[in-house]
Amino acid sequence: SQQGEEDPQALSIQEGENATMNCSYKTSINNLQWYRQNSGRGLVHLILIRSNEREKHSGRLRVTLDTSKKSSSLLITASRAADTASYFCATAGGSSGAGSYQLTFGKGTKLSVIP
Amino acid sequence: DAGVTQSPTHLIKTRGQQVTLRCSPISGHKSVSWYQQVLGQGPQFIFQYYEKEERGRGNFPDRFSARQFPNYSSELNVNALLLGDSALYLCASRLRDSGSLLAGGGTQYFGPGTRLLVL
Repeated sequence: SQQGEEDPQALSIQEGENATMNCSYKTSINNLQWYRQNSGRGLVHLILIRSNEREKHSGRLRVTLDTSKKSSSLLITASRAADTASYFCATAGGSSGAGSYQLTFGKGTKLSVIP
Repeated sequence: DAGVTQSPTHLIKTRGQQVTLRCSPISGHKSVSWYQQVLGQGPQFIFQYYEKEERGRGNFPDRFSARQFPNYSSELNVNALLLGDSALYLCASRLRDSGSLLAGGGTQYFGPGTRLLVL
């Protein structure tokens, strides 16, 4: 079953604009990760934020995490046509057992950046 | 270094047949996980293997099985294929099994996937 939901399901912006995607999840987590998928191929890891962190930056990416609201957001600044892809949040569980390494994904946000 | 590799890239089968998908992890990675991604959905966890032992299983029927070899490569087998098994099957590898998730462990590196079509 899907852990969370991304919002919006689809987003279309002009090149140079910022894109914000949101993710909500249901259970306690140890960390939350964002992945990108181009044209139904393999996923590329973008950024990981630990449950005791509130904000993290990597290049043009900014991720926030609010564990009290069980939500996260991914901001892509100064978007480029090459950013066109589907973006997924994935949570790694709150238990300490080996099974907690499995990732639970949302349904994704499909981002289109128009040149 | 090569990333995670999967074979074949595409596969067409008919209902009732059996299929074997293969995955080679990144060199040095000992953990392999399998995910199924149906069109329009996020990936769903199927199996996790570490050091040749099953460490986790998702909510999939017994028609799905997997194994990990001494060289850490892995196979996913699906028997008695159904139309609903049509999906992109993703393999992911991770450096190690132990280590604190809270400290940031758990990043998985995905292969390009095998697209399975069941007719």
